[in-house]
Amino acid sequence: QQPVQSPQAVILREGEDAVINCSSSKALYSVHWYRQKHGEAPVFLMILLKGGEQKGHDKISASFNEKKQQSSLYLTASQLSYSGTYFCGTTGGGNKLTFGTGTQLKVEL
Amino acid sequence: SAVISQKPSRDICQRGTSLTIQCQVDSQVTMMFWYRQQPGQSLTLIATANQGSEATYESGFVIDKFPISRPNLTFSTLTVSNMSPEDSSIYLCSVGTSGTSTDTQYFGPGTRLTVL
Repeated sequence: QQPVQSPQAVILREGEDAVINCSSSKALYSVHWYRQKHGEAPVFLMILLKGGEQKGHDKISASFNEKKQQSSLYLTASQLSYSGTYFCGTTGGGNKLTFGTGTQLKVEL
Repeated sequence: SAVISQKPSRDICQRGTSLTIQCQVDSQVTMMFWYRQQPGQSLTLIATANQGSEATYESGFVIDKFPISRPNLTFSTLTVSNMSPEDSSIYLCSVGTSGTSTDTQYFGPGTRLTVL
């Protein structure tokens, strides 16, 4: 079953923060986050492994709680370049990614 | 990360015809995957292309409709057969290097297919 992301869509003003959640009904081994701009390929952001880890680079970070089967992506001090659709991809231990429902994020001036 | 190219980038096809999409990587990779992304939707895995063996298809996708070839470690093709308007989608290939669940998948630019 496909992971559910929330919110479905969000509009931010530049400089604001956002949190995107990814929730699965299945046990997870890893969570992968991607951003896709319109008409382009998904771009890899980061991967988190089970163990409750948190990761981040620049102003984008993420956490993974395997007990709750959830991951969250944190965007701080958003920039116009952050606009796009964010997808989580999950694995249960194999190499197949199951992508979430997606979150459209738009950053405005 | 690998550099991935796809051909064609877009095509408009007639109902009942077939289209073969090519995916080329600039380095040898263990895993190649094919996805479909319908307009405004998420990505759905069609199959995993295995070098030297038959592709592994996901539920809802069959070899007769989506035959896949993987002749070497840098190249794969996906054919969309006997097309109908419902096949209009973006088709993306992705690659992974280790074949494990910690592997990062990198995506090609996609092929935008419209079936009339």
